[in-house]
Amino acid sequence: AQRVTQPEKLLSVFKGAPVELKCNYSYSGSPELFWYVQYSRQRLQLLLRHISRESIKGFTADLNKGETSFHLKKPFAQEEDSAMYYCALNSGYSTLTFGKGTMLLVSP
Amino acid sequence: EAQVTQNPRYLITVTGKKLTVTCSQNMNHEYMSWYRQDPGLGLRQIYYSMNVEVTDKGDVPEGYKVSRKEKRNFPLILESPSPNQTSLYFCATREWETQYFGPGTRLLVL
Repeated sequence: AQRVTQPEKLLSVFKGAPVELKCNYSYSGSPELFWYVQYSRQRLQLLLRHISRESIKGFTADLNKGETSFHLKKPFAQEEDSAMYYCALNSGYSTLTFGKGTMLLVSP
Repeated sequence: EAQVTQNPRYLITVTGKKLTVTCSQNMNHEYMSWYRQDPGLGLRQIYYSMNVEVTDKGDVPEGYKVSRKEKRNFPLILESPSPNQTSLYFCATREWETQYFGPGTRLLVL
């Protein structure tokens, strides 16, 4: 069965510090992984997906199949990055499995 | 504007009183789903629908019903709500690998 693990419930950093939100997955097939973000009082929205290898709002994430990880990184955190971040695994067209989420707090 | 809408946005009810949360989309997406979001548990899928008249259980379907009579609407029905169904509910559509979420419905069952 597929599983997504985000080991940190809360990550607190100062503005300008590097950020890494961890995500590990368990899936026997070829995974498709995503990061979704939820800003305060807003709906979830797609941040980035591994297949596009893009950088959105300064965030990047690399799929490491050997370590079964898809960590989200940003070299210099900004206060507006404070939000809830969810890693998600697409294990078939019908199912998107989410991790439990990590709250990122960026302090001035 | 492409969007997913939910109504109501906030609802307080009592145990056992049937309620329906509506979800509507204008993107002509075939796939729709319902999630609940709870602190420490993240998002868990309740039901999903691959197309009209096709629905299937997600991870936590107990206590919920859905219907998909037309493509744009996917209502979530709680026949007899209980306090453990107090949660934040999100409807979502999907096109290819991207999901589009509604604004959420916060439900409190007393």
